[in-house]
Amino acid sequence: GQQLNQSPQSMFIQEGEDVSMNCTSSSIFNTWLWYKQDPGEGPVLLIALYKAGELTSNGRLTAQFGITRKDSFLNISASIPSDVGIYFCAGQRGGGATNKLIFGTGTLLAVQP
Amino acid sequence: GAVVSQHPSRVICKSGTSVKIECRSLDFQATTMFWYRQFPKQSLMLMATSNEGSKATYEQGVEKDKFLINHASLTLSTLTVTSAHPEDSSFYICSAWTPYNEQFFGPGTRLTVL
Repeated sequence: GQQLNQSPQSMFIQEGEDVSMNCTSSSIFNTWLWYKQDPGEGPVLLIALYKAGELTSNGRLTAQFGITRKDSFLNISASIPSDVGIYFCAGQRGGGATNKLIFGTGTLLAVQP
Repeated sequence: GAVVSQHPSRVICKSGTSVKIECRSLDFQATTMFWYRQFPKQSLMLMATSNEGSKATYEQGVEKDKFLINHASLTLSTLTVTSAHPEDSSFYICSAWTPYNEQFFGPGTRLTVL
């Protein structure tokens, strides 16, 4: 199945550092979503973006919907140990329940105290 | 946020047996649910779209006779892995759309086929 390109593949940082990851696609999406997955758990929604150019924050997390609608990025400021996990972007072409999500390849984040 | 549950959380079975996994939306009704499979250190791959009251829509390469999906009510979808084999061992995750156009995921089911 199709997947979105997500980078970096993994990051190993010190507590307190800022983190940036991005997701790119060869085609346009109308919705971009960012999820975090802890080991052995399902993904949890962090931020949803619905409009090109939109910049949305959720606490220390900020995400942007790229102007071209083919990319998105997620920033985490002042990382803490509980930020550890796998972060996935996901794109959706149309709105509504019948439109499936296409997931990115994931970014593994490790935070050293 | 909305709550989606899965049962069981873990299952170990012998090769050749069938396993049923349940996905429930606990505090909302979901006409559409999705089933994903995730292999270790990989992303989620969509298997099928489960539609209440109608047949599921399967992604290319997913055997519909092997992965039976039944969406019998607005709060329950089931995935049955028939005649399971070791290569079916994986993490199976469901998701459901809320009436507010948000998709929430279940906690996943770890299937191990011996």
